[in-house]
Amino acid sequence: GQNIDQPTEMTATEGAIVQINCTYQTSGFNGLFWYQQHAGEAPTFLSYNVLDGLEEKGRFSSFLSRSKGYSYLLLKELQMKDSASYLCAVKDSNYQLIWGAGTKLIIKP
Amino acid sequence: NAGVTQTPKFRILKIGQSMTLQCTQDMNHNYMYWYRQDPGMGLKLIYYSVGAGITDKGEVPNGYNVSRSTTEDFPLRLELAAPSQTSVYFCASSYDLAGSADQYFGPGTRLLVL
Repeated sequence: GQNIDQPTEMTATEGAIVQINCTYQTSGFNGLFWYQQHAGEAPTFLSYNVLDGLEEKGRFSSFLSRSKGYSYLLLKELQMKDSASYLCAVKDSNYQLIWGAGTKLIIKP
Repeated sequence: NAGVTQTPKFRILKIGQSMTLQCTQDMNHNYMYWYRQDPGMGLKLIYYSVGAGITDKGEVPNGYNVSRSTTEDFPLRLELAAPSQTSVYFCASSYDLAGSADQYFGPGTRLLVL
């Protein structure tokens, strides 16, 4: 079966750095996505990785290791507005997105 | 440019009732999707469409139907609502299926079946 695992919840302090991990087992791999979802809102796209390595976008970076079936999202200089759920999703061999349950990130002042 | 819009925002249904969730996008995307999101679970694909007149089942299609008569609209029909269909429903669209094409989501419809 196909499976995406992420921690259920993480807590971090404003101004700090947090790393959210994602491991996956899917039928094929056509890229990994990270989305942000604020409570009661729709998911919004953050990043895409298809090759191994680090992609940086401002305060957010995403890393991929295809051989390990592993990715992480790194958030730097945390702000209160970063309190949200972070969803990891993998495009499988049919180009369908398989979604993790999401990691709820709580930022404390 | 409104993106993806969904109506209604919230609905309460009685068991056995039917309803249609509306979804419209104005980005001229060929690909559209319906997901449901339950607490503590990942988004599950219900149905998707690769263009007007073409639809296909996703992971959890039972109890639902869709149609795609135009590029813009992709309504989701619930027949004989059941408590197990209580969920948040998201419609999404993308310009491509493959590669880095990300999906744009509507604001969601919260459905409660009692």
